[in-house]
Amino acid sequence: AQKITQTQPGMFVQEKEAVTLDCTYDTSDQSYGLFWYKQPSSGEMIFLIYQGSYDEQNATEGRYSLNFQKARKSANLVISASQLGDSAMYFCAMMANAGKSTFGDGTTLTVKP
Amino acid sequence: IAGITQAPTSQILAAGRRMTLRCTQDMRHNAMYWYRQDLGLGLRLIHYSNTAGTTGKGEVPDGYSVSRANTDDFPLTLASAVPSQTSVYFCASSAAGRSDTQYFGPGTRLTVL
Repeated sequence: AQKITQTQPGMFVQEKEAVTLDCTYDTSDQSYGLFWYKQPSSGEMIFLIYQGSYDEQNATEGRYSLNFQKARKSANLVISASQLGDSAMYFCAMMANAGKSTFGDGTTLTVKP
Repeated sequence: IAGITQAPTSQILAAGRRMTLRCTQDMRHNAMYWYRQDLGLGLRLIHYSNTAGTTGKGEVPDGYSVSRANTDDFPLTLASAVPSQTSVYFCASSAAGRSDTQYFGPGTRLTVL
């Protein structure tokens, strides 16, 4: 069975600083995708970044980067230069196929001015 | 382009009643999904469909059924609602497979009394 673990229920960061949100995963599949989503207080789910299990380079999307360490089964999200609008819930997710889509319980990030 | 629409936005339902949550996408995505999100937790997969005409069970399928008569629509039915089905329900779609981003609808907030 697949499992996603996000060990930080809540995180605080000062505006303009970088923050790392942790994600570890467990799967027996060799091929899978790892995703991060942002859920602001308004409730919608916003895709941030994707990493494939065979990708050798860490994914980057603007201020978001994914620190992928396959041997450790970790896929941490790094947000650089935090903004007040980054305050939200962040979910790590994994998909091996359409029937195997698993989300973590999320980390609430609060950016302080 | 609307993306994914869900209806209703919210609903209060008496226990034992039948309810269908509607989901429509206009992106011609092959795969569609239904998730539930309980308060303060991550998303759990209820049912999915890889392509029109096929469906599969996710992590928490009991008490729910789905159909996929065409590419665009993926309704979720609660045959006889129970209070434990109180949740926010998200529909999502993706082009196909593990490397494709899931795009989410705005969610339906369902309360079963």
